[in-house]
Amino acid sequence: AQSVSQHNHHVILSEAASLELGCNYSYGGTVNLFWYVQYPGQHLQLLLKYFSGDPLVKGIKGFEAEFIKSKFSFNLRKPSVQWSDTAEYFCAVHDDNTDKLIFGTGTRLQVFP
Amino acid sequence: ETGVTQTPRHLVMGMTNKKSLKCEQHLGHNAMYWYKQSAKKPLELMFVYNFKEQTENNSVPSRFSPECPNSSHLFLHLHTLQPEDSALYLCASSQNRGVRPIGYTFGSGTRLTVV
Repeated sequence: AQSVSQHNHHVILSEAASLELGCNYSYGGTVNLFWYVQYPGQHLQLLLKYFSGDPLVKGIKGFEAEFIKSKFSFNLRKPSVQWSDTAEYFCAVHDDNTDKLIFGTGTRLQVFP
Repeated sequence: ETGVTQTPRHLVMGMTNKKSLKCEQHLGHNAMYWYKQSAKKPLELMFVYNFKEQTENNSVPSRFSPECPNSSHLFLHLHTLQPEDSALYLCASSQNRGVRPIGYTFGSGTRLTVV
């Protein structure tokens, strides 16, 4: 069964700093990978997803993620964060075999002006 | 609004009460899900319905009982809950083409507190 690890539980940055949030998944066949964001008091929103093709995926709000198959990783990046990026970020993997969307524990990002 | 609507937004219930959570989607999706979001834990998948048929029950206690009368509506019936069941309950829907979902859309959740 798939599992997802997010090693950074809480990240604190100043505005304009660069961001990289780690996500590793366990191997289990064909993977579909997602990053979701949850702003305070709001619903989960899809930031970006990877199904196949170019391993560098561009998402909304200037986010991108790179799928590195050899490292079983799908790290989220943003070159320059803003205060409005303060939120919780969840990595998720869809397991085609079980048809389940499995989430990591989430990373809480706080950006200070 | 995301296209997936959950009611109520907040619910406080006693351990002997019976209540129901409702989820409605008008996105034309054919799969619906219940997730439980607790502090410092991964989102836990509870139930999966594909084309109104339950395809997954992730070892959820029987005090949680799902119902999917049609592909647009999903309920979670609650009875004799425990305080540790307090959490945010999220509903999601997706369009499953074969086994690969075309994205998931989440509702805003119901914040449940069991007292």
